[in-house]
This record gives sequence, structure tokens and C-alpha cells, in this order.
Amino acid sequence: AQSVTQLGSHVSVSEGALVLLRCNYSSSVPPYLFWYVQYPNQGLQLLLKYTSAATLVKGINGFEAEFKKSETSFHLTKPSAHMSDAAEYFCAVSPNNAGNMLTFGGGTRLMVKP
Amino acid sequence: AAGVIQSPRHLIKEKRETATLKCYPIPRHDTVYWYQQGPGQDPQFLISFYEKMQSDKGSIPDRFSAQQFSDYHSELNMSSLELGDSALYFCASSQTGVGASEQYFGPGTRLTVT
Repeated sequence: AQSVTQLGSHVSVSEGALVLLRCNYSSSVPPYLFWYVQYPNQGLQLLLKYTSAATLVKGINGFEAEFKKSETSFHLTKPSAHMSDAAEYFCAVSPNNAGNMLTFGGGTRLMVKP
Repeated sequence: AAGVIQSPRHLIKEKRETATLKCYPIPRHDTVYWYQQGPGQDPQFLISFYEKMQSDKGSIPDRFSAQQFSDYHSELNMSSLELGDSALYFCASSQTGVGASEQYFGPGTRLTVT
């Protein structure tokens, strides 16, 4: 069975500071990993995905994530936080990319202070 | 670009009533997924359909059933509603066989059971 664990249910940063949201995965086969963002009362929007190509993945809104097999991690980063980045972020894993279900982590709520 | 459409957006039902949630996938997407997100929780996979056939089944109660129709829209039928069924229900769609088939989420249906 595959799973992801997000360390820290709440993360608070100042505007302009580095954003780091942590995600570790557990998988017996090479996983496909995703980061989704959810704004209040909205659906989930895909930020980026890892599909066994480049280990450094660039996504939308200036976010990127690095797949590290040795650390079983897929942390999400952004060099400079904006107020508009405040949202809930979910890391997710699927066994492959061919239409399989997603298993989500518990989510991390990012708060950005002015 | 067209997105996943869910209806209704909000639904209020009483205990023991039934509810039907509808999902219209992005055109040419052949796979539909249903997820349930309880208050303050991460989305949990319920069930998915590929080309109108059930492809995966998650933690869907026996009181719930779903199907995908010839036009690829899907309906989630919920009977004998319980207070614990109050949640945000997301539908997502994907197109298999085209690169990494990430799932695109709809805005969700917020179900409140009183």
C-alpha cells in the first residue's frame, strides 16, 4: 500500500520568505507524486507532478518540488511567499499514472504573514 | 478551458433521506473519480470509473452507489443518509493514455445532513 505523510499540519511564513512544505512517501514501487492546492471553499488544483522524469519538478505559481528517492521525500518549495499563497496544500501519491486513485496526505495549511 | 462540473454545489438533506450528486467530466476524459472530504480532513477516495466500468473501489459505504453513463457523466447515489455523511464531495476526471494523466477536480458538492 502506498501512503504519504505531510509533516506539519500548519506552517506560517512571512511574506517574501521561503516556503517549505514537507512530504514523505511510502511505496513499494516507483510512485507518481502530486502536489495539490485548495483555497477555501474551492476544489483542488494541481500544482505539479512527478512522473519519473526529471527529479526537480517545476509547477505553477512559482512552486517546485524535488523527488529524493534516498530520503523518500517530495518537498514543495517556493523562494518567496505571497499573501495569495495562503491555502491548504495536499501531497498525493498514486501507484502509476494510468488512472489510479490518489491517496492524499493530511494536508498542510500555509499561512502567510504580512 | 472547460473544467469538471458538479451539481448541485450545495445540498441539504435530512437523516435517512437520499441524495444524488452529478459530475460532468472534462470533454474527452474517460475516467471519473469520486472523493469525500470531511471537515478538516484530507480527501478520501470512494470509487472510480473508466469507460463506464468501475475501475477502483475505496472506502465507499454500501449505502452509496455510483455509475458512469454513456456520455461519461457520473452520478453518486447516497441512501439512508447519516449525519456523518456531511462532507465535501469531489469529482475528478482524467484522460488515460495521454502522458501523465493527472486528475482534474471539480469545485465539489457540499452535502449537509441534518
